[in-house]
Amino acid sequence: QITLKESGPTLVKPTQTLTLTCTFSGFSLSTNGVGVGWIRQPPGKALEWLALIYWDDDKRYSPSLKSRLTITKDTSKNQVVLTMTNMDPVDTATYYCAHKGPPGAFDIWGQGTMVTVSS
Amino acid sequence: DIQMTQSPSTLAASVGDRVTITCRASQSINRWLAWYQQKPGKAPKLLIYKASSLESGVPSRFSGSGSGTEFTLTISSLQPDDFATYYCQQYDSNRTFGQGTKVESK
Repeated sequence: QITLKESGPTLVKPTQTLTLTCTFSGFSLSTNGVGVGWIRQPPGKALEWLALIYWDDDKRYSPSLKSRLTITKDTSKNQVVLTMTNMDPVDTATYYCAHKGPPGAFDIWGQGTMVTVSS
Repeated sequence: DIQMTQSPSTLAASVGDRVTITCRASQSINRWLAWYQQKPGKAPKLLIYKASSLESGVPSRFSGSGSGTEFTLTISSLQPDDFATYYCQQYDSNRTFGQGTKVESK
C-alpha cells in the first residue's frame, strides 16, 4: 500500500524559504518509471503543479516558478524535499505531494499540508 | 507551457443526469491526459489516465475520451457521491491542471 505524507512549517514569513518534506512508503524512488511530484492549491482555487522528480533524478519544474524551486530526493530515507525561496502571501496554499506511476498520472496523493505566508 | 481550459466552470445537475465536462489543450498532448475528482478538504483522487483508462476501483459510470487537444469526462448517471470538483491534467510536457469544474446539485 502506497502512502505519502507532507510535513513542514504551517507559517512562514514573507521573503523566507519554505522547506517541505514528503515521506512515503510502499514504493521505491529507485524503481524505473516512478516519480514524486508537488502540487499546491490556494484556498478556493485550482490545483497548480510545482515540480516532479523521477527515479533517475531527472527533475522538472513549473516554468513560472522554476527560479524559486528546488526538488531533491533521499532514496534511503524514502523522502522528497521541496524548497521554495522568497515566499509571498500569494504562496499561501495547501501543498500536496503525489506518487507518479509508470502510466504517468498522479495516482496516490498525500493528505496535504497548509502553509500560510504572513508577517 | 501547455494551457488547459475546462468548461463549464460550474455545472448544476440532478442525480441520474448524464454529465459531460470538456477539457481543451493549447497544443496536442496525444492522449496524455488525466482526470481527478476532489471533494472539499480532501486530496484529489485519480479517476482516468491516458485519456480513457479507468483507474482501479473507480466506478464504471465514469468514462473519458478524446485525443490531441479535445477531451471529455462523462458521468453516465450522476450519483450523490459525485458532487465534487473535477480537474483535467496534461502530462505530455511537464504537467498542467485545468481550472476545475464544480458539479453542484440543481
